[in-house]
Amino acid sequence: KQEVTQIPAALSVPEGENLVLNCSFTDSAIYNLQWFRQDPGKGLTSLLLIQSSQREQTSGRLNASLDKSSGRSTLYIAASQPGDSATYLCAVKGANNLFFGTGTRLTVIP
Amino acid sequence: SQTIHQWPATLVQPVGSPLSLECTVEGTSNPNLYWYRQAAGRGLQLLFYSVGIGQISSEVPQNLSASRPQDRQFILSSKKLLLSDSGFYLCAWSAFAAGELFFGEGSRLTVL
Repeated sequence: KQEVTQIPAALSVPEGENLVLNCSFTDSAIYNLQWFRQDPGKGLTSLLLIQSSQREQTSGRLNASLDKSSGRSTLYIAASQPGDSATYLCAVKGANNLFFGTGTRLTVIP
Repeated sequence: SQTIHQWPATLVQPVGSPLSLECTVEGTSNPNLYWYRQAAGRGLQLLFYSVGIGQISSEVPQNLSASRPQDRQFILSSKKLLLSDSGFYLCAWSAFAAGELFFGEGSRLTVL
């Protein structure tokens, strides 16, 4: 069964820093990988989707990479802002299910 | 553009009472629909998914059920709630199986 791990579980950085969030998965047979943001008490907002044939995707200050062979993905956030504070979740798509990590809670300190 | 609506946003129910959470998607046809539960401090757990009207697949055996009476409507139900049913329930849709997944705002259920 696919297992998705996100490290670290929590991260605090000062405003303006660049940071990297990590996601690893055990089964490389995936259709895609998706990064989400979740604010407290809210639903998930899709940030980036990387298909299995792609290596990376970019949206504004966010860049996500995918290395299927090693079972890893990273989410790079440039020039972090207090508004980036949230929990970030990665999810990998298998045949019939989307397997989620437990997330990294990011706090950007003004 | 596509939107997803989920209600109620918050629900407090006694043990043994029934449950009905509703989700509708606008702006797309024949979406794949999903119900997830997020328990405190835990990851998201897929409960049900549907690829079409009347087609429901269950991932976890429990006292919950799902129905899809219309193309863009997905309902999560229970006849008798348990304390362990408390959690944050999220509806989601995708255009196809490997497509991007979009979530609703969630329904927080507290069973007392």
